[in-house]
Amino acid sequence: DARVTQTPRHKVTEMGQEVTMRCQPILGHNTVFWYRQTMMQGLELLAYFRNRAPLDDSGMPKDRFSAEMPDATLATLKIQPSEPRDSAVYFCASGPSRAVYSYNEQFFGPGTRLTVL
Amino acid sequence: AQSVTQLDSQVPVFEEAPVELRCNYSSSVSVYLFWYVQYPNQGLQLLLKYLSGSTLVKGINGFEAEFNKSQTSFHLRKPSVHISDTAEYFCAVSENNQGGKLIFGQGTELSVKP
Repeated sequence: DARVTQTPRHKVTEMGQEVTMRCQPILGHNTVFWYRQTMMQGLELLAYFRNRAPLDDSGMPKDRFSAEMPDATLATLKIQPSEPRDSAVYFCASGPSRAVYSYNEQFFGPGTRLTVL
Repeated sequence: AQSVTQLDSQVPVFEEAPVELRCNYSSSVSVYLFWYVQYPNQGLQLLLKYLSGSTLVKGINGFEAEFNKSQTSFHLRKPSVHISDTAEYFCAVSENNQGGKLIFGQGTELSVKP
């Protein structure tokens, strides 16, 4: 049963610390998405990649957030330095993709619940 | 720019009653439409999708949705709900030239009571 995995599932850290969240997409999927979920803002798209290249990261605060795909089996989202307002659940999703005009189904991971004190 | 509005933030309903969760979208181009479900402390799971063709779409767990282009709506329905349907439901839209990028509504919390 192929699933998107995310680590850690929970993270509590202090303001100013670096946070790294990891995602392993489903094998064979070449599109990866990062979302943030909060009570106030709902689900927001932060960034997404196709074939490891960033396609859109306009939803991400550039000064402190960075997203990368070092290889096809790993996507990372880093926050440095973290702030209390970054507290949220961060979801990774992956999907198959054939062309920019085609439909993509997204399969979500269980999320990383981040608390910044 | 595309957007999604879920008209009800919370919908309480009794077990075995019918339910409709409303979703409206705005877009200047053709779209794909989705409903996802999120159970507590879990990620989102796809319920159903509209890509093209028949406007009535059937999904998992007995849910269905109808695409209405003139009203730009994609309401989710179930004729008889179960306690296990208690969850948060998200409507999402993807424009067909955006490579799968999804824009989500704010979510509707469905609470099924015995």
